Amino acid sequence: AQSVTQLGSHVSVSEGALVLLRCNYSSSVPPYLFWYVQYPNQGLQLLLKYTSAATLVKGINGFEAEFKKSETSFHLTKPSAHMSDAAEYFCAVSDRGTGRRALTFGSGTRLQVQP
Amino acid sequence: DGGITQSPKYLFRKEGQNVTLSCEQNLNHDAMYWYRQDPGQGLRLIYYSQIVNDFQKGDIAEGYSVSREKKESFPLTVTSAQKNPTAFYLCASSAGGALNTEAFFGQGTRLTVV
Repeated sequence: AQSVTQLGSHVSVSEGALVLLRCNYSSSVPPYLFWYVQYPNQGLQLLLKYTSAATLVKGINGFEAEFKKSETSFHLTKPSAHMSDAAEYFCAVSDRGTGRRALTFGSGTRLQVQP
Repeated sequence: DGGITQSPKYLFRKEGQNVTLSCEQNLNHDAMYWYRQDPGQGLRLIYYSQIVNDFQKGDIAEGYSVSREKKESFPLTVTSAQKNPTAFYLCASSAGGALNTEAFFGQGTRLTVV
């Protein structure tokens, strides 16, 4: 089964600094990958998804992610952090290996933005 | 407004009781899902359904049951066999079909055993 690993359960940045949230996948088949954001006590909202059309994917709120097959990575970035970006972020993979039609999620990274 | 409605938002259960969490969607999606969220563990799949009257176990199905009698509804029952039910439960739906289809989430139900 495919899986994703998110390095760093907590990341803290200053307002205006670069945001980098890491996600690595394990798969023998090129996966479909997703990034979601969750604000406290709420559901998840899709930020962006990679479906093999383009390796650099732009999402909402100024976020983007680049699919790198050689590094098996799909890291999420934003050039300049805003206070409103403070939330938990989840990377997810669609299991093309087994065909199970449900997303598998990483353990999440909580982003803190310091003023 | 199209979306996914989970109710109630907060739920308290006594030990040994069964409890049912509601999930309704008006997005006309074929597929629906239940996830459990615990701090530091991300989301874990409990059950999913690709079509009415059919559903499959996810990674942590023990102690849970579901039904899918209508396309719009996918209720989750947490039974007394679930040893540690306190968690945040999220329902989701997707258009189904292709594996590159994203899931849309409800606002969640926080279940606490008292």
